[in-house]
Amino acid sequence: DADVTQTPRNRITKTGKRIMLECSQTKGHDRMYWYRQDPGLGLRLIYYSFDVKDINKGEISDGYSVSRQAQAKFSLSLESAIPNQTALYFCATSESSGRAYNEQFFGPGTRLTVL
Amino acid sequence: AQTVTQSQPEMSVQEAETVTLSCTYDTSESDYYLFWYKQPPSRQMILVIRQEAYKQQNATENRFSVNFQKAAKSFSLKISDSQLGDAAMYFCAYRETSGSRLTFGEGTQLTVNP
Repeated sequence: DADVTQTPRNRITKTGKRIMLECSQTKGHDRMYWYRQDPGLGLRLIYYSFDVKDINKGEISDGYSVSRQAQAKFSLSLESAIPNQTALYFCATSESSGRAYNEQFFGPGTRLTVL
Repeated sequence: AQTVTQSQPEMSVQEAETVTLSCTYDTSESDYYLFWYKQPPSRQMILVIRQEAYKQQNATENRFSVNFQKAAKSFSLKISDSQLGDAAMYFCAYRETSGSRLTFGEGTQLTVNP
C-alpha cells in the first residue's frame, strides 16, 4: 500500500463549486505539505503543517484553505473554484526538520480541472 | 526569497549517451540542501539525488551524478548511459537546512531517443 495517498486522483468541477482534496499518510510523519504544479512553473507551495495545531501559508495560499484533522490527514479546500486553479496538486510529508536531512515523500497527485 | 531556475525547458538525448541538465539558484544562506526530482508520465515525484551544501564532494547515485558549484550557485545533473526509462520531467529543488519548505525550478522535460 502507498505511504501517501490522495483522493480523488482526478476531478472535474465547475466554477464556483467547493472542492476538497484529501491526503492521508501512514509514514507517521509530523509535517505535511500541499503543492500545486503548473506547466512552466514547477511546483509551488500552497500550505504546510508542522503538526495538528501548526498550519502555515505557503507562497500561493490565496483562494485555498486547509485542515489538519489528525497527524495522518491533511485536506486542501477550494471554497469557490475558479478556472485558473486548474492544476496538478501534490501532497507531501516529511519528518521534523533541523540539520538532519529529511526527504519529502509525495503522494500520486490529484489532477483538478475547473471548467 | 530563494529562487531556483532551470533554463532548459526541454532536452533530448540518444539512448546510451550522456546528458546534463542545468539548474541555478539564488540564496543568501550558506547551509542548505539541493535535490533533483524525476517525474515520469505516471506523475509520481521521485527523488533522484541530493546534495548537502556543506559537502564539497559531488553526490553520485549509480548513473546519476551532480556538479555542485557553490560559489556559482549552480547544481547540474548528469545522466550517464541514458535509458528509455529516464524520459521524464526533471525538477531541481532547494531547501534550507533549518527549514522544510522546498522551492522548485520550472522543470526540464527530458526525451530519450532510441
